[in-house]
Amino acid sequence: DAKTTQPPSMDCAEGRAANLPCNHSTISGNEYVYWYRQIHSQGPQYIIHGLKNNETNEMASLIITEDRKSSTLILPHATLRDTAVYYCIVRVVGGGNQFYFGTGTSLTVIP
Amino acid sequence: GAVVSQHPSRVICKSGTSVKIECRSLDFQATTMFWYRQFPKQSLMLMATSNEGSKATYEQGVEKDKFLINHASLTLSTLTVTSAHPEDSSFYICSARDTAAGVNTEAFFGQGTRLTVV
Repeated sequence: DAKTTQPPSMDCAEGRAANLPCNHSTISGNEYVYWYRQIHSQGPQYIIHGLKNNETNEMASLIITEDRKSSTLILPHATLRDTAVYYCIVRVVGGGNQFYFGTGTSLTVIP
Repeated sequence: GAVVSQHPSRVICKSGTSVKIECRSLDFQATTMFWYRQFPKQSLMLMATSNEGSKATYEQGVEKDKFLINHASLTLSTLTVTSAHPEDSSFYICSARDTAAGVNTEAFFGQGTRLTVV
């Protein structure tokens, strides 16, 4: 079962930073936070993941609060191609390794 | 990144027939693969975990006799929808993790298979 809560939808102006929040207040110490996105009629695309430290890669930054109860995915300069559904997933490492998807946030980047 | 390939991308079948969907990890080995189903405007729902060389583990409420899973090699898992009916029409997606990459690495997803049962 998904253990995350995300706003159902958000808008962002093209070229601006998109900040997508995720609440995971029941996260355990051995659970990682993963972010994926799904563009219409495609398989999900991996974005980034982290345990407790902030992470950055070529696609995005992940900010995890100190208590790990929430996180924010930051797309620094949103483009129209970033319009997608973004999923925040909490996964237990070393268990069944399954990824359970919640309802996600539908991000629309506006020209 | 690593690539997971699904085939076919689209399939239309008649009610009562069976359909097989293949999921391949192209440049890594995967002892475990995952099958999801997604209905329009809904999230992905995990159906089952496919284990190489052993039986699949099904999520609660998923009929194992209807959705047959075979994971015969470290790079191939198949999902067969048996005696398909219109309500089985959906977007089926597989995913896999690189077994050699460590337990906290990401999973990669196939492009999905759109099944339409008429």
